[in-house]
Formats: sequence, structure tokens, C-alpha cells
Amino acid sequence: DTGVSQNPRHKITKRGQNVTFRCDPISEHNRLYWYRQTLGQGPEFLTYFQNEAQLEKSRLLSDRFSAERPKGSFSTLEIQRTEQGDSAMYLCASSLAGGHYEQYFGPGTRLTVT
Amino acid sequence: AQSVAQPEDQVNVAEGNPLTVKCTYSVSGNPYLFWYVQYPNRGLQFLLKYITGDNLVKGSYGFEAEFNKSQTSFHLKKPSALVSDSALYFCAGGYNKLIFGAGTRLAVHP
Repeated sequence: DTGVSQNPRHKITKRGQNVTFRCDPISEHNRLYWYRQTLGQGPEFLTYFQNEAQLEKSRLLSDRFSAERPKGSFSTLEIQRTEQGDSAMYLCASSLAGGHYEQYFGPGTRLTVT
Repeated sequence: AQSVAQPEDQVNVAEGNPLTVKCTYSVSGNPYLFWYVQYPNRGLQFLLKYITGDNLVKGSYGFEAEFNKSQTSFHLKKPSALVSDSALYFCAGGYNKLIFGAGTRLAVHP
């Protein structure tokens, strides 16, 4: 399967712990996006990269959140000092460069903060 | 502020009947608009997009959508619904980052 992959698929953590998620995009895609989806809502944009450069960050991405894409391939999203409000599905997507290209989504990482 | 709205939480259709899932947008300029479908325990799947040109765009699985600039709408349609079309449908718009609607659950009854 050459689609977008995300690991882990599920993560349960205690409040105050740090968590890190990984996303592997479709190999020829140079754009990578992170979204967050809560129950009953559509995905909300968090940030996106073109190659290794982080081009935009949402105001939703507080200073506890950091994303990297060090070699322009896979990306990591880290949440420090998790809070119960961080519980959500974290989605990764990738695309070719250009807003007119569709984004292909991975299966998501479901985070539960207890 | 830019936004995408899906006014119906749920749409119920009998199998074989035509279906419409509504979407309206408020995106500046000439928007790029997309429809995605989400099945349980699976990621969002791309259905179709409007970039420019013909207002009627065709996509996967027999779906199509009509772009209407004057009504700022981008409704998803299918001439004959299948039970297997039952899923959660999202409309999205934007240029790089996507702004999603809240989703519409489509239930197709046999």
C-alpha cells in the first residue's frame, strides 16, 4: 500500500505526558498537512510543510504543539504536557505542491488523554 | 472569515433514488472546492474537486457536484443511490489549507 501511513493508530496517555505521532506521506508528494478532528466535526487545519519548510501554522497550534519534517519526507507531531482537550483524531495528509491538488489522507492517530 | 457550511446533519435516501448533499462556502477569490467521504475506521477519501472551468464536475463512484458561484454552493449529487454510499461526507474549500464543513451523514435505505 503506497498511501499515507500514520503511527501509532491509537494512543492513550495520561494528562501531562508528552506524545509524538508519525506520518509517512505518499513518496512523490512534497506537501504534508496535519489536521485535528473531534467527534462530530470536520477536520481542522493545524499546519503544513512544503518539503522541510513549515509554511503555515494555525492559531490552534499552541506552544505545546510542535511539528517537524526534517528531511522533507516523514513528519512528526509532538504534543507536550497533554491536556484532556487534546483528545482527538490527528490526521495527516499529503499532496503535490499547489492548492489545486487534492490531499490524500492517512487513517489518523486517535489520541485519548485520561 | 472563510467558512464552509453543510446545513444538513443527515440525509436519508432510498436506494435507487437520486441524492443531494448540500454545501455552501464563504471563501474569498476563486475557491478550490473538494468533496471527501469517510467510512467507519477509515481515512478521508477524495471524491472530486472544482478548480475552474465546467461547473459540473464528475468524480469517483458515480458522484458529481455542481459549482454555483452566484449561490456560493457546491452540492454533491448522484443519480441513483446505493446502500454502500452510506457514509459521512465532508465538503472542503481553500487554497493550501482546507477548511472543512461539519459533515453530513448519508443513510441510504434498501
